Amino acid sequence: GENVEQHPSTLSVQEGDSAVIKCTYSDSASNYFPWYKQELGKRPQLIIDIRSNVGEKKDQRIAVTLNKTAKHFSLHITETQPEDSAVYFCAASTRGDNNDMRFGAGTRLTVKP
Amino acid sequence: DSGVTQTPKHLITATGQRVTLRCSPRSGDLSVYWYQQSLDQGLQFLIQYYNGEERAKGNILERFSAQQFPDLHSELNLSSLELGDSALYFCASSPRQGAGNTEAFFGQGTRLTVV
Repeated sequence: GENVEQHPSTLSVQEGDSAVIKCTYSDSASNYFPWYKQELGKRPQLIIDIRSNVGEKKDQRIAVTLNKTAKHFSLHITETQPEDSAVYFCAASTRGDNNDMRFGAGTRLTVKP
Repeated sequence: DSGVTQTPKHLITATGQRVTLRCSPRSGDLSVYWYQQSLDQGLQFLIQYYNGEERAKGNILERFSAQQFPDLHSELNLSSLELGDSALYFCASSPRQGAGNTEAFFGQGTRLTVV
């Protein structure tokens, strides 16, 4: 089955700096890669996703890149703000009528004011 | 509100006991996933059901079991509870789709405390 690895496990940046979180996956059939943000005590919520037919996607200060050949994808957050502090999870899912979504272990991002 | 409902929100029980966590997926979603999130840890995939059938198993202990009923709600049963089972248990559901995939919608979670 799919195995998703995520690095780093913790990341601390200064407000205004950029943050990058990287994930690798094992199943070449995976074609959907969402990123979830989980604030303290709350449920994970989707912040951005990318499909295998796209190499990059951007939404304001966040962007995701995908390298299908190398089987890795990354989340980039620019101009970080304290409210970006949270745990971020990447995930990978294969094609089909149902999802086989597997999550990375998470990255705890701390943005220092 | 994601549309996924989990009950109860909080549960405190003693070691050795058995509890049942309940999840109602979003209307129309056929897939239900269960995850365990221990303190300062990531989401550990436990089990997935699709339209009433077990689809995939992850790191689920033999003391744990789950099922999905004809009305698509799901229950996670945890038995012979140990202190280490204390965690936040999330249920997520995903839509039925003809091609491609879409996001999983998470419930608010059930916080289980074993004392």
